Amino acid sequence: EAGVTQFPSHSVIEKGQTVTLRCDPISGHDNLYWYRRVMGKEIKFLLHFVKESKQDESGMPNNRFLAERTGGTYSTLKVQPAELEDSGVYFCASSQFRAGMNTEAFFGQGTRLTVV
Amino acid sequence: QKEVEQNSGPLSVPEGAIASLNCTYSDRVSQSFFWYRQYSGKSPELIMSIYSNGDKEDGRFTAQLNKASQYVSLLIRDSQPSDSATYLCAVRDSGTYKYIFGTGTRLKVLA
Repeated sequence: EAGVTQFPSHSVIEKGQTVTLRCDPISGHDNLYWYRRVMGKEIKFLLHFVKESKQDESGMPNNRFLAERTGGTYSTLKVQPAELEDSGVYFCASSQFRAGMNTEAFFGQGTRLTVV
Repeated sequence: QKEVEQNSGPLSVPEGAIASLNCTYSDRVSQSFFWYRQYSGKSPELIMSIYSNGDKEDGRFTAQLNKASQYVSLLIRDSQPSDSATYLCAVRDSGTYKYIFGTGTRLKVLA
């Protein structure tokens, strides 16, 4: 069974450009999370989808970040326009949705974004 | 702001020793706790989950949970150099279901 996959693995863009990150969750996982790790800091929550609905987007830094999950399958995270402080590693994770039950989240390999 | 606290380390232990990693959390009603291992440049890999007070053992790993003290720990027995990595403690928020991470503890197992 394929794990969580993310594309691209690395991206270097100039300030002001647009970048779109993609995440394919584990098949059957309705929960999809985006996280970001800036150098030296903890992994910070960005947002959470349940199927195609945004359950919680309280961690999105500002309106330059737009996440979508059309059809409840893969998700994209677009940064437009990118700023220097957006540099970091963006992780996607997925888990099963089972109401009232504990589930475990599995991470993708991450996208290392460098804004220059 | 709900928080998860870990000592960033590095924690250095000799090969064959027990490594003890600790984590405290602020949300008293949290029910789900996880330990991830992250090698440099790689993604976090789930190694243990624990939901009830007490100990949970899996091979050389033992997770310990004390909800009254809001404390969760990970013990690694017979530590190996290949265990050298950053260990992340994560707590799932009981209200929003998001996972909140600590900064991670860097473990070095010395051969």
